[in-house]
Amino acid sequence: DAKTTQPTSMDCAEGRAANLPCNHSTISGNEYVYWYRQIHSQGPQYIIHGLKNNETNEMASLIITEDRKSSTLILPHATLRDTAVYYCIATYSSASKIIFGSGTRLSIRP
Amino acid sequence: EAQVTQNPRYLITVTGKKLTVTCSQNMNHEYMSWYRQDPGLGLRQIYYSMNVEATDKGDVPEGYKVSRKEKRNFPLILESPSPNQTSLYFCASSLQGPQWTEAFFGQGTRLTVV
Repeated sequence: DAKTTQPTSMDCAEGRAANLPCNHSTISGNEYVYWYRQIHSQGPQYIIHGLKNNETNEMASLIITEDRKSSTLILPHATLRDTAVYYCIATYSSASKIIFGSGTRLSIRP
Repeated sequence: EAQVTQNPRYLITVTGKKLTVTCSQNMNHEYMSWYRQDPGLGLRQIYYSMNVEATDKGDVPEGYKVSRKEKRNFPLILESPSPNQTSLYFCASSLQGPQWTEAFFGQGTRLTVV
């Protein structure tokens, strides 16, 4: 797995877009970027993933820079239920495990 | 509803008393895995299973056993629990191999060993 670096914590106002950055400067060509989140000691939940192109699903958007050394997870309209620890992971799609790291603790303020 | 079910959700036990934490998934997934989560150490993999009768060690397997006799179940066994195994445990599964776009995690088992 490529090492990822995320801010320890962030906050965002409810209803605004939350932009969570992640650096993965040593990512290899075949490694994907995955985002998971963990809400207060619940099991981690898959959010989105990408290889080179930007991706969007019903939960979030993922913007990957052209050199693939960093990415941003965007929650377009953050709600209080989005308060969680967000993990950025760079790994091969067939890796036998994923290493979660410390993640970013996102707080949504009313 | 697609889910990974762990039991029990909470358990307090004494040192040395054998225990089993069950994990069951209803999605016909081939891959299953156990993690433990500790403050400051994050989530660490204990064991994983690519399919029935195929298990392998993760990063922290000492003190744990697993079995995969059938596809849906992947129990975690602590033969002689010790206080350093006090932790929050998660079971995960995915469809074919560890495809992390389809990984589902259970709700967790909080274990305290006194």
